[in-house]
Amino acid sequence: TQLLEQSPQFLSIQEGENLTVYCNSSSVFSSLQWYRQEPGEGPVLLVTVVTGGEVKKLNRLTFQFGDARKDSSLHITAAQPGDTGLYLCAGDESNYQLIWGAGTKLIIKP
Amino acid sequence: ETGVTQTPRHLVMGMTNKKSLKCEQHLGHNAMYWYKQSAKKPLELMFVYSLEERVENNSVPSRFSPECPNSSHLFLHLHTLQPEDSALYLCASSQDSDRNQPQHFGDGTRLSIL
Repeated sequence: TQLLEQSPQFLSIQEGENLTVYCNSSSVFSSLQWYRQEPGEGPVLLVTVVTGGEVKKLNRLTFQFGDARKDSSLHITAAQPGDTGLYLCAGDESNYQLIWGAGTKLIIKP
Repeated sequence: ETGVTQTPRHLVMGMTNKKSLKCEQHLGHNAMYWYKQSAKKPLELMFVYSLEERVENNSVPSRFSPECPNSSHLFLHLHTLQPEDSALYLCASSQDSDRNQPQHFGDGTRLSIL
């Protein structure tokens, strides 16, 4: 069974704080996608990382793909209530359809 | 507006009922997907259609029956469901069925089995 573990499962912080969430696997991925799912809605793609060591920025969000392409992190600077949601990662591993993590539920309190 | 529309948004049904979930995409994509989302679990891929042909069926019980009449529409027919089938059912589409393609999701149907 291919697993993609996300941590922490749940995170609740105050507005303005910084945070990092993680997506880890023993598998090597050719690419990895991050999605955000807001309550009552479907997941929306944030970014795709492809190259080992790659860093991508989306406003206050910074995504990094591990050098070995087995893990990824998402760092949010100065979190805002609008960042609240379920953050999902999904990896493209050669023998399977996308492998999904269970997500990190993030709550940003005003 | 996500480009992928799912109806109904909520459905409550008994175990002996028959109902259908509908998904329509307005993005001109060639691949469509059904996923099951349960709390604290990874998304479970149920079915994949590419150009209206089923290309993936992940050992889903026969009480779930998909139908893809054209590349814009996807249905999930439900009958004799079990309480453990209660979940959020998400439809998605992508340009093609390559795994690295970004997927565009609908807002889901929240299904409750009594």
